[in-house]
Amino acid sequence: NAGVTQTPKFRVLKTGQSMTLLCAQDMNHEYMYWYRQDPGMGLRLIHYSVGEGTTAKGEVPDGYNVSRLKKQNFLLGLESAAPSQTSVYFCAIRTGAQDEQFFGPGTRLTVL
Amino acid sequence: GENVEQHPSTLSVQEGDSAVIKCTYSDSASNYFPWYKQELGKRPQLIIDIRSNVGEKKDQRIAVTLNKTAKHFSLHITETQPEDSAVYFCAASKDSSASKIIFGSGTRLSIRP
Repeated sequence: NAGVTQTPKFRVLKTGQSMTLLCAQDMNHEYMYWYRQDPGMGLRLIHYSVGEGTTAKGEVPDGYNVSRLKKQNFLLGLESAAPSQTSVYFCAIRTGAQDEQFFGPGTRLTVL
Repeated sequence: GENVEQHPSTLSVQEGDSAVIKCTYSDSASNYFPWYKQELGKRPQLIIDIRSNVGEKKDQRIAVTLNKTAKHFSLHITETQPEDSAVYFCAASKDSSASKIIFGSGTRLSIRP
């Protein structure tokens, strides 16, 4: 089974503060994704990566940056947090050749 | 880009009855359609998926059907049980897009005892 961890599990920020969310996998999967989940809106793709050193924009990239310096880790950064970024953030990996995505446990972020 | 619409947003069925959730997609090039189940406070988990080269797939009490011409697909749960209560998401993807999955807005399914 793929192992995906997310750090932290919960966080409260004040408007304007910055933070980084970490997604780590214990396998060697190339594709990693960051989603946000808001009530009534499903999951929306923020950024994704198809391999070490690569990143690309998803549906809702504004206000976020990402980096994939190591294959195992995919970082999501908020440079200046806004209340609109209050959400649950999920990381996912593609686990095989057939598109299936496996999700991490999520990070609940509140921006006051 | 792809757009996935999902209906209904909430669904309540009697235990033992069937539940059907329907989705439509906009991009005719989409060829992979997964369904995820998310229990309260948990991560979404893949429960079944279908590819565009088949019209139906079944796994015990759950089945998915795909109509490529009409660009819609459905999830069917038979003999519902209390543990089926959750939010269900449909999604669509195409091979050429780095497996980017576009999700529907979700259906909250409640099973009445």
